[in-house]
Amino acid sequence: GAVVSQHPSRVICKSGTSVKIECRSLDFQATTMFWYRQFPKQSLMLMATSNEGSKATYEQGVEKDKFLINHASLTLSTLTVTSAHPEDSSFYICSARVLETSGSTDTQYFGPGTRLTVL
Amino acid sequence: AQSVTQLGSHVSVSEGALVLLRCNYSSSVPPYLFWYVQYPNQGLQLLLKYTSAATLVKGINGFEAEFKKSETSFHLTKPSAHMSDAAEYFCAVSSNQAGTALIFGKGTTLSVSS
Repeated sequence: GAVVSQHPSRVICKSGTSVKIECRSLDFQATTMFWYRQFPKQSLMLMATSNEGSKATYEQGVEKDKFLINHASLTLSTLTVTSAHPEDSSFYICSARVLETSGSTDTQYFGPGTRLTVL
Repeated sequence: AQSVTQLGSHVSVSEGALVLLRCNYSSSVPPYLFWYVQYPNQGLQLLLKYTSAATLVKGINGFEAEFKKSETSFHLTKPSAHMSDAAEYFCAVSSNQAGTALIFGKGTTLSVSS
């Protein structure tokens, strides 16, 4: 099956610093990647949709200047949390969309997530 | 617009018992439905998906789900629970439009006791 990796898996940073999280599709090309945020014991909330070579589309309420997304290649998307604050502490998960060859369905494969803790 | 409702935020079963996790959806277009499992501090793993090919879908780890249009349901079942099945389970819906993200339910925590 398709494999998606995230790096780092866990990061602790000081308030006011920026943190970059990488999401890679290892054995396939993904024209679309998604970034989700998950609070403890809650569901995944979509933050933004990232299309290769174009600007990301952010969900309502997500600050695009705070959560910078870059999708420079078909296998890599990055999320940068700028000027992080304790309330940004969360589990960030990316996914890559694969359109099946038959075109009848699409499936998202998820990365293992990145645990961000802002002190 | 699409949405997913998972009935029961927490389900507890004994090892060997039937597992039933409920999911109802709302969609204005033919839906594509998914079940994902999440183990602690890990990402989501696809269990199975409904793509309109067959209403009874078999997935990994002995799980299966049945799409019932008349009931707008896609409940997940497993005949006999194992301790290793304890995890968080998410039902999700997609419209399969280009670039459309998954809409997730709030999740159901499955506990399995010996």
